[in-house]
Amino acid sequence: DTGVSQNPRHKITKRGQNVTFRCDPISEHNRLYWYRQTLGQGPEFLTYFQNEAQLEKSRLLSDRFSAERPKGSFSTLEIQRTEQGDSAMYLCASSTWGGNYGYTFGSGTRLTVV
Amino acid sequence: RKEVEQDPGPFNVPEGATVAFNCTYSNSASQSFFWYRQDCRKEPKLLMSVYSSGNEDGRFTAQLNRASQYISLLIRDSKLSDSATYLCVVNMNSGNTPLVFGKGTRLSVIA
Repeated sequence: DTGVSQNPRHKITKRGQNVTFRCDPISEHNRLYWYRQTLGQGPEFLTYFQNEAQLEKSRLLSDRFSAERPKGSFSTLEIQRTEQGDSAMYLCASSTWGGNYGYTFGSGTRLTVV
Repeated sequence: RKEVEQDPGPFNVPEGATVAFNCTYSNSASQSFFWYRQDCRKEPKLLMSVYSSGNEDGRFTAQLNRASQYISLLIRDSKLSDSATYLCVVNMNSGNTPLVFGKGTRLSVIA
């Protein structure tokens, strides 16, 4: 296991379409996080899982966004009816419990909504 | 007040210079502190954790002042390869809340 893997790396979609991103965390990490980053900003928290349980969701996560981690391993983030404002880098990270040693991030999925 | 605030930058410094970044955080109960480095269009990568006693890793020194809710990162003998954005990161609670990132400070080291 070489790290956190995210797919796809880039996604261009038309406004109104649905998109789904996948994240495979480091295998021994039980916590998985989704963040969003736009130009000139730091990563902003969206949601996180401990094993398969979704423990917290940000106010940024509108009802068009849904995330799952069905078997406590990989996770998916789906955006329905995409809007231009959804264009951003979507970053996945994983950690051991508590993240007291920081998180390891994947390379991200860059979404462009046209 | 924002949860984590950083010097906006950009900092443009010559090679060999010493540069310091500052960061303040709003929650006095914050437990863990980190500096991450992010290269252009890449993911953030952990540079170093910040401990109460301060810690050093080669040319990098991190300091924490809990009383002032202040974190700093000092880079000595800057290299061209240090050019990046440096993100101040805080865990606001005991580990049950996600890390909060500052906006980052951009550093450009110039030959």
